Amino acid sequence: DGGITQSPKYLFRKEGQNVTLSCEQNLNHDAMYWYRQDPGQGLRLIYYSQIVNDFQKGDIAEGYSVSREKKESFPLTVTSAQKNPTAFYLCASSIEGAGANVLTFGAGSRLTVL
Amino acid sequence: QQQVKQSPQSLIVQKGGIPIINCAYENTAFDYFPWYQQFPGKGPALLIAIRPDVSEKKEGRFTISFNKSAKQFSLHIMDSQPGDSATYFCAASIPLYSGAGSYQLTFGKGTKLSVIP
Repeated sequence: DGGITQSPKYLFRKEGQNVTLSCEQNLNHDAMYWYRQDPGQGLRLIYYSQIVNDFQKGDIAEGYSVSREKKESFPLTVTSAQKNPTAFYLCASSIEGAGANVLTFGAGSRLTVL
Repeated sequence: QQQVKQSPQSLIVQKGGIPIINCAYENTAFDYFPWYQQFPGKGPALLIAIRPDVSEKKEGRFTISFNKSAKQFSLHIMDSQPGDSATYFCAASIPLYSGAGSYQLTFGKGTKLSVIP
């Protein structure tokens, strides 16, 4: 079955440590996205990538970094510069040029900073 | 300009009731308005969507009403069931840049719906 796989599902991190969240899709989608979800805050865009080797900052990119070396993969690194990293992180993908932005989401990764 | 305001934050209805969730936007460049449904611990999934040239769209028990002049749209769930209990997000889409094939979605803050038996 096609879909988006995020791992790990739960992750604990000590303050000052970087952590990388994995996102893999087998939908052959061109565009991929990372969102952050906090209670009562909705979904906020961190980074997005329309094609391999290219990505753009979203609304809350500070303290995060991404790479897009393969079409299928879009890992997110939460760096120690992110002041409040505890959140639910969602990866999504969409078909380029579909005429509208229909996102397919992964099941999410919950990061807790101890 | 990029905000989508969603209300209420939470909603409790009895089984069979018709919960209504409202959203409002300012940017008239938005051209696609989807609703996403999210169950606890899962990612959101597209539920239903509408374009601004249509005033209403129905899919099963879910209906979107769209008022272009008021810049508002709403989700109605007919004959709601306990299985509809989830968080619902409205969103609005805009091209990333002129002529782009990619779009950016702006989400509302979500409505947590509880349908009690």
